[in-house]
Amino acid sequence: DGGITQSPKYLFRKEGQNVTLSCEQNLNHDAMYWYRQDPGQGLRLIYYSQIVNDFQKGDIAEGYSVSREKKESFPLTVTSAQKNPTAFYLCASSLPILSSGNTIYFGEGSWLTVV
Amino acid sequence: GIQVEQSPPDLILQEGANSTLRCNFSDSVNNLQWFHQNPWGQLINLFYIPSGTKQNGRLSATTVATERYSLLYISSSQTTDSGVYFCAVATNAGKSTFGDGTTLTVKP
Repeated sequence: DGGITQSPKYLFRKEGQNVTLSCEQNLNHDAMYWYRQDPGQGLRLIYYSQIVNDFQKGDIAEGYSVSREKKESFPLTVTSAQKNPTAFYLCASSLPILSSGNTIYFGEGSWLTVV
Repeated sequence: GIQVEQSPPDLILQEGANSTLRCNFSDSVNNLQWFHQNPWGQLINLFYIPSGTKQNGRLSATTVATERYSLLYISSSQTTDSGVYFCAVATNAGKSTFGDGTTLTVKP
């Protein structure tokens, strides 16, 4: 089945450690996104990528890094510089952003807890 | 950037009741979607509706682009409708902006 796979589902991190969240899609979508969701709140955009080897900062990029070496993959690294990383992280993808009619599809999310 | 406001923030209904959720946005958009987030965090696409009206079973949505708002109607609500409903919009800049959501609780 086509879709977006995020891993791990649950992750615990010690303070000062970098962690990488995986996102893979087999929908042949050009655009991919990472969102952060805090309890009881909406989604905030961390980074997005419209094409391989290119990505742009979203609204809350500080303390995060991404890469887009393959169309299918858009991993997110939560660095030690992120002061409050405990949150729910959602990866998404869509057809080229500027096309009309594109729909964003989401993975099941990854819960990150700092211990 | 574009601002997205959803109302009401919380809504409690008895099973069988109808409801209307609203999404206001501050600029012209070329993409508007409604999502339902279930208790496990999964976001489910409900509608892609930058303008006009669509219906899918007990759910329907209307977007009036010229007046910069969209409405999501839920009729004969069921307990499984509970969760958070998000509106997301995108402009020519490409990235989508989400509202803060409406939390719906349907009681049996």
